[in-house]
Amino acid sequence: YELTQPPSVSVSPGQAATITCSGDQLGDKFVCWYQQRPGQSPLLVIYQDRKRPSGIPERFSGSNSGNTATLTISETQTMDEADYYCQAWDSNTVIFGGGTRLTVL
Amino acid sequence: QLQLQESGPGLVKPSETLSLTCTVSGGSISSNNYFWGWTRQPPGKGLEWIGYSGSTFYNPSLQSRVTISVDTSKNQFSLKLNSVTVADTAIYYCARLVGRELVPRRYFDYWGQGTLVTVSS
Repeated sequence: YELTQPPSVSVSPGQAATITCSGDQLGDKFVCWYQQRPGQSPLLVIYQDRKRPSGIPERFSGSNSGNTATLTISETQTMDEADYYCQAWDSNTVIFGGGTRLTVL
Repeated sequence: QLQLQESGPGLVKPSETLSLTCTVSGGSISSNNYFWGWTRQPPGKGLEWIGYSGSTFYNPSLQSRVTISVDTSKNQFSLKLNSVTVADTAIYYCARLVGRELVPRRYFDYWGQGTLVTVSS
C-alpha cells in the first residue's frame, strides 16, 4: 500500500496551505499528519483524520475522503515551514507518505 | 511531560547487529494504553516505520532482521537489527504509540530526538 504526497508546496505568509496525501480507498482508513522541522524529530499535528493534539494551533486542520486526505494550514506562518508526512495503517503495518516540503515565502 | 531518549553506538560495521535503547521518563512503559515503536530516516530521505512492541507485525522489508523488546524494570525498550548494511544508515527514532483503540486509529504521539547510526567498515 502506498501513500503519495507532492514533494513540495509553496505558500505566502498569511495564506492557506494545502498538502494532500493519496492512496487507494484512503477515506476508509484513519490518517495522521506529522510535522518535521529541519534537524528535529517528527511532531504529531493531526490524528484520526481531523483531531488536533493538545498544543497544536487551530490553524492546522485535516480531512479525509475518497482517495485523498488533506492537511490544511490556514494563515500559514514562517514557523510552519517544515516537512509534513501523512501516515496510515494497512494490514497491521504503518505506512508513511513520502513527505511534502512546505516552503513559506 | 513524557520524554524519550535513544542511546546506542553511532557506528556499526556491516554484517553486525545494530542495538539501540530508548529510555522513557515522565511516564510508565508498563501502561496497557501504549505500545513502543521505532522508525528510521535515512539522511535526506523520508520516514520508514520499523515496528513496535507487542506486535508480530514489522516492516515487511525488515521483518526477518528486527527484534523489539521491552524492559519494564528499567522503563526502556530496545531495537535490534541484525546483518546490517550501508542501507541501514539512518537516524533512528523511538516513539510512543497510543494503543487503547483499534489498530487503524493508533498514532505516535511522543518521539525521541533521534540518533544517527552509520553503518561503515
